Amino acid sequence: EDKVVQSPLSLVVHEGDTVTLNCSYEVTNFRSLLWYKQEKKAPTFLFMLTSSGIEKKSGRLSSILDKKELSSILNITATQTGDSAIYLCAGATAGTALIFGKGTTLSVSS
Amino acid sequence: EAEVAQSPRYKITEKSQAVAFWCDPISGHATLYWYRQILGQGPELLVQFQDESVVDDSQLPKDRFSAERLKGVDSTLKIQPAELGDSAMYLCASSFGFNYGYTFGSGTRLTVV
Repeated sequence: EDKVVQSPLSLVVHEGDTVTLNCSYEVTNFRSLLWYKQEKKAPTFLFMLTSSGIEKKSGRLSSILDKKELSSILNITATQTGDSAIYLCAGATAGTALIFGKGTTLSVSS
Repeated sequence: EAEVAQSPRYKITEKSQAVAFWCDPISGHATLYWYRQILGQGPELLVQFQDESVVDDSQLPKDRFSAERLKGVDSTLKIQPAELGDSAMYLCASSFGFNYGYTFGSGTRLTVV
């Protein structure tokens, strides 16, 4: 059965800290790994990682795909209170349907 | 910026009643998805459409849920009869295809009482 597992499930940090969120996947016919940010509404797209693009960066956020270990990490440097959200990891199958993990709830305190 | 439109935003219904949700994807997006997200969980796929055809509805509880996308554009998800366990956020998403990320709508938060 396809599955995506995220860790930790929740995390509390202080503003300015650097955090690393983990995601492991077992997805049949794996095509890509996606990260989303969700703040009490619909998820918003952050990154998509594929065999041809295993590292992405946008501002303080970056992500790496480890195809050998079937895992990915999402790094956030110099965290801000606005980074508080649920971060979802998802694996895409050959049919493009996404399989989501349970998410990591990040709380950044000022 | 193009958006996926969903309505209603919130819905409270009594157990055993019928309820319907509507989704209008981004223009040109042939692929449309309905996901259900229970509080504290990640979204779970209910049904995937490619144009007007169902590609995957293996996780759709077909005894009470139905989904259609008659003209390959907007879509309706129906629950009849609603049960307490159906309380969740129902998310619609669309995409051009594999090499593109999904765009999610704002979701419909359903509460069954």
